[in-house]
Amino acid sequence: DSGVTQTPKHLITATGQRVTLRCSPRSGDLSVYWYQQSLDQGLQFLIQYYNGEERAKGNILERFSAQQFPDLHSELNLSSLELGDSALYFCASSVVGSDTGELFFGEGSRLTVL
Amino acid sequence: GQNIDQPTEMTATEGAIVQINCTYQTSGFNGLFWYQQHAGEAPTFLSYNVLDGLEEKGRFSSFLSRSKGYSYLLLKELQMKDSASYLCAVANTGNQFYFGTGTSLTVIP
Repeated sequence: DSGVTQTPKHLITATGQRVTLRCSPRSGDLSVYWYQQSLDQGLQFLIQYYNGEERAKGNILERFSAQQFPDLHSELNLSSLELGDSALYFCASSVVGSDTGELFFGEGSRLTVL
Repeated sequence: GQNIDQPTEMTATEGAIVQINCTYQTSGFNGLFWYQQHAGEAPTFLSYNVLDGLEEKGRFSSFLSRSKGYSYLLLKELQMKDSASYLCAVANTGNQFYFGTGTSLTVIP
């Protein structure tokens, strides 16, 4: 158990819909990252937050948005969903400034768009 | 930007040694990480290198050459449970982590 919690674990929805994925980082971790992993693809960096502020954006579509709340949990909002958005969405957290600063991943949210 | 390359697939025999290579290009380097990921599961941290040289951790070792933009993960005494995808990731000075597409390792009896 990494200590990172993601909900829901599975989600099935239709094209054009909107979903929200939720992430609670490990206790004490200020930095939250979102990644997308499509079938047979690597982990694509979407966005990073640090202590409530957006730190960096990766390959995040304009239809997607995220935020980190004062209690440090984060939400990833996916709208106008398309078939190609079907993927595993991972949240990860880290302690910036630690010796290794590795990422700890949640179990992921598997999104299926029909 | 970041560019991370690793082989797509490898096969090795139980009990043997396998080396998974990773080359990278990055603007600002703050560490190289190896993760293991079983199908449909979360990646789990294996090793970290920030200085040149070899880091050993039980059956797993990782090597880094910053001047060559090169790392490898060495797995010894392979076990069937080592069949998984191995992800090479580079952290930049902003603490963003970029991952390669992963090397799918199959361990055969």
